[in-house]
Amino acid sequence: AQKITQTQPGMFVQEKEAVTLDCTYDTSDQSYGLFWYKQPSSGEMIFLIYQGSYDEQNATEGRYSLNFQKARKSANLVISASQLGDSAMYFCAMREGGGSGTYKYIFGTGTRLKVLA
Amino acid sequence: DTGVSQNPRHKITKRGQNVTFRCDPISEHNRLYWYRQTLGQGPEFLTYFQNEAQLEKSRLLSDRFSAERPKGSFSTLEIQRTEQGDSAMYLCASSLQGMNQPQHFGDGTRLSIL
Repeated sequence: AQKITQTQPGMFVQEKEAVTLDCTYDTSDQSYGLFWYKQPSSGEMIFLIYQGSYDEQNATEGRYSLNFQKARKSANLVISASQLGDSAMYFCAMREGGGSGTYKYIFGTGTRLKVLA
Repeated sequence: DTGVSQNPRHKITKRGQNVTFRCDPISEHNRLYWYRQTLGQGPEFLTYFQNEAQLEKSRLLSDRFSAERPKGSFSTLEIQRTEQGDSAMYLCASSLQGMNQPQHFGDGTRLSIL
């Protein structure tokens, strides 16, 4: 069964430092996609970055990069040069390719990041 | 791109009443999803549509919940005979078809049951 695990309920990082948010997943499907979303205190969910299961290179989007280790089933988000505006809840999500009969997205429980000045 | 729009933003109602929420997706998106989110948790999948067809429903979705997407455009989520446990944020998202297509979320409807 699909499952996303985020083991860090909360993280602190100093401004301008890098931080890694952990995400592990479980799926029996060979084809799947992994997503990271940011949810500030205002509530809107903002898409950050995507990694496909067949992508050979780690995804990068500006200050965001995804450390994808397929054998370990992990997809950690790395935020470089943290900014105060990065303080938010971060969710890892997975979508299977339909091999198990579902195309729905599953979200983890999230990690609350606080950037310190 | 006007984004995903949800109405109302807030709904307060008494236990036992029926409520209906509306979601207007991004116009070219053929997939539409409904989620429920409680405080400190990630979004929990409720149901999704491809065009007007409801393709999947969560087993957690009781018979009191129903969703429609007539003509494959906007969608409505109705909760009948609301209960205290229905209090949550209800999120709608839309996407294009394709594995790498991210979901775009609306601002949600916060439901409070008195």
